Amino acid sequence: AQRVTQPEKLLSVFKGAPVELKCNYSYSGSPELFWYVQYSRQRLQLLLRHISRESIKGFTADLNKGETSFHLKKPFAQEEDSAMYYCAPPAYGNNRLAFGKGNQVVVIP
Amino acid sequence: GAGVSQSPSNKVTEKGKDVELRCDPISGHTALYWYRQSLGQGLEFLIYFQGNSAPDKSGLPSDRFSAERTGGSVSTLTIQRTQQEDSAVYLCASSPSMSSYNEQFFGPGTRLTVL
Repeated sequence: AQRVTQPEKLLSVFKGAPVELKCNYSYSGSPELFWYVQYSRQRLQLLLRHISRESIKGFTADLNKGETSFHLKKPFAQEEDSAMYYCAPPAYGNNRLAFGKGNQVVVIP
Repeated sequence: GAGVSQSPSNKVTEKGKDVELRCDPISGHTALYWYRQSLGQGLEFLIYFQGNSAPDKSGLPSDRFSAERTGGSVSTLTIQRTQQEDSAVYLCASSPSMSSYNEQFFGPGTRLTVL
């Protein structure tokens, strides 16, 4: 089963500064990972998935098998990035318990 | 099309009462999940339904919690003899199948307050 760890609960950054949310995973096979985001008063939604290798809203996440990490990064934070972010494996099999505590990001104007 | 819907959006109840929370998944989605979201605890998995298979109840915190999914569509989460620690936002999500590439689509949640 995949497990993910998000060490920081609250991350405050100034607008325009880089932001990095850490996610480490443990898995015996090929990892499959997602980042979900929840903006204020909105429902939780998918931000990006590693298989797509895409950049969404300026965010990217690279799978580093050597470090077993899937950190979420954005070079220049914007106020609208203030939200709750969750790293997660796909929700099937033994992975269903794996949503973590998430990271609360606050972008300071 | 319509997304996942949940009702009620807010529920205030007294300690010891039973509550029922409803989830309408996206039509055609075979997988349905219930989570509990509370401050400082993140997203806690409760129960999972996949098609006609027996549900995975491994996340239910106590036997006061139960859930049903009728006809492979609508699901109801029931909490009996509610306690103050049950206060949280209860989220429902659905996905098309068990494929690992499928994202979960979340509902707006039901905010439960137990007085």
